Amino acid sequence: DTEVTQTPKHLVMGMTNKKSLKCEQHMGHRAMYWYKQKAKKPPELMFVYSYEKLSINESVPSRFSPECPNSSLLNLHLHALQPEDSALYLCASSQPGQGAGYTFGSGTRLTVV
Amino acid sequence: QQQVKQSPQSLIVQKGGISIINCAYENTAFDYFPWYQQFPGKGPALLIAIRPDVSEKKEGRFTISFNKSAKQFSLHIMDSQPGDSATYFCAASTETSYDKVIFGPGTSLSVIP
Repeated sequence: DTEVTQTPKHLVMGMTNKKSLKCEQHMGHRAMYWYKQKAKKPPELMFVYSYEKLSINESVPSRFSPECPNSSLLNLHLHALQPEDSALYLCASSQPGQGAGYTFGSGTRLTVV
Repeated sequence: QQQVKQSPQSLIVQKGGISIINCAYENTAFDYFPWYQQFPGKGPALLIAIRPDVSEKKEGRFTISFNKSAKQFSLHIMDSQPGDSATYFCAASTETSYDKVIFGPGTSLSVIP
């Protein structure tokens, strides 16, 4: 079982919907990440939270809005998405600092219709 | 200069054989090189990682070979098994940008009986 839990596992939403993806980790990691992955491609970094503060925003459109309520939780709020936003959304966590590998969740498979 | 190149794109190996995946980088500031294994429908999982102060690291059937002067590193899977069939991503990061891992494009490995 993965130590980073993501919900839901699958999500289908219309372009006018508002939905949220959730991520939880209990490893005491203080850095958490959102990645987007298209089929047969590597993960693309979206956001990084370090010690609950947003440290990296990779010029992601504002229809994606991250939130870090506490050191264990990470949310990604979705609004007015486009069909091209359909992808696997991965949450990851690590200890801040060099040499710390990531622990990824199993992802949320998002389909925008 | 931030790119990590990876080859081959896909690889078919017989059970019991050796799988070899190669990666190359340009940025000499990279100092942490992890490999991730991803099964369909799952998030990537950290497999093994190396720093440039060593030329080889072995964990079970998985070995990373590192050539600092050539700016290349490779993953060797000994005695490959059908359960090793997955997509493998090499990656790199720097001490100052530890939270911004650069992934290679990935190699799809199929181990056939």
